[in-house]
Amino acid sequence: SAVISQKPSRDICQRGTSLTIQCQVDSQVTMMFWYRQQPGQSLTLIATANQGSEATYESGFVIDKFPISRPNLTFSTLTVSNMSPEDSSIYLCSVETGQTYEQYFGPGTRLTVT
Amino acid sequence: TQLLEQSPQFLSIQEGENLTVYCNSSSVFSSLQWYRQEPGEGPVLLVTVVTGGEVKKLKRLTFQFGDARKDSSLHITAAQPGDTGLYLCAGGAGNNRKLIWGLGTSLAVNP
Repeated sequence: SAVISQKPSRDICQRGTSLTIQCQVDSQVTMMFWYRQQPGQSLTLIATANQGSEATYESGFVIDKFPISRPNLTFSTLTVSNMSPEDSSIYLCSVETGQTYEQYFGPGTRLTVT
Repeated sequence: TQLLEQSPQFLSIQEGENLTVYCNSSSVFSSLQWYRQEPGEGPVLLVTVVTGGEVKKLKRLTFQFGDARKDSSLHITAAQPGDTGLYLCAGGAGNNRKLIWGLGTSLAVNP
């Protein structure tokens, strides 16, 4: 397993601004993922972030809007750029450990865009 | 495209009742996980099943993986208010290490 922290835990932002979310893991991991979730609903994968390579984005998500950094095996950031109210959501990072696709999640960042 | 159909989407029951949540797919998964999520927190892994026909128990929760590794169920016996939360199933397959997620089951157990 892994212990994951995220900062900030919540934020209220003005439209047109950007917010960077940090994800810190207590051990070195290869695979990190960024998700978006509406309260009470399932998870939508934004991108997979591997250390030393460009993030791989899912359909509907682009690097200009959601740039990701992965400078080492314990840390990643997701930036939500030029925000609009439609970006209001919970953003979660997760890591995969082991061989069976198990993922461990941070507590999430609740973003509200006004 | 792999899909994982989860049902029911919403469930409201009284304390002490039993319930079953289902996840079904036409695709074969290498492994399947069940997670529980409470408001304001990230999903927490409950169990991973990897072998067709596998049954795992976690106190009052029983998890089963179908023989063909295409479906799974979660059964809760004598539900308690502490079981309230969003239950998510997720299947893993392929080299990209991504999980395919069910839509979730929002469970409310009323005292």
